[in-house]
Amino acid sequence: DAKTTQPNSMESNEEEPVHLPCNHSTISGTDYIHWYRQLPSQGPEYVIHGLTSNVNNRMASLAIAEDRKSSTLILHRATLRDAAVYYCILRYTGNQFYFGTGTSLTVIP
Amino acid sequence: DTAVSQTPKYLVTQMGNDKSIKCEQNLGHDTMYWYKQDSKKFLKIMFSYNNKELIINETVPNRFSPKSPDKAHLNLHINSLELGDSAVYFCASSQEGWQTEAFFGQGTRLTVV
Repeated sequence: DAKTTQPNSMESNEEEPVHLPCNHSTISGTDYIHWYRQLPSQGPEYVIHGLTSNVNNRMASLAIAEDRKSSTLILHRATLRDAAVYYCILRYTGNQFYFGTGTSLTVIP
Repeated sequence: DTAVSQTPKYLVTQMGNDKSIKCEQNLGHDTMYWYKQDSKKFLKIMFSYNNKELIINETVPNRFSPKSPDKAHLNLHINSLELGDSAVYFCASSQEGWQTEAFFGQGTRLTVV
């Protein structure tokens, strides 16, 4: 399985940008990069996804390296409600979503 | 309306019992999943169903049996419950395709005593 590597935890001050990195050195050409987050006591929720180009939506931005071996989820202004575990996932054959260990984001008021 | 709903939200039961968790999605998706999240918070896929057919069955004891009566429902039946089955179980659904997103339910916290 194509795997992802993320830091176990990160901290950010409230209202500052947060850059959450993900390494996926074994990514293949057709793997989509997905990001999900899991708020405390809730199910995972979709954040953003991309293939090659950088992507923006109302929640975040996704910056994908030119060689696609890494990506960065960018939260432009962290709020306390953004405190969650963020998962970087490669989506490929068979419709599976395989979750890694994720990054636990702490937002400091 | 909740997109993916699971019942019950909490389930406490004794070892050896048989229990079921129900999942329904109203999104018209053709793929549904069951995930298990253990005490270390690791989310592991258990089953994936596409159009009522099983397409993934990860290394899961055969005491766990998914049942999909129609595309909108994927229930999880567990026989002879063990202490190690205690976890949070999440149901999810998605449309087919690598670029589609998954929607997750709120989870069922199963405690086996």
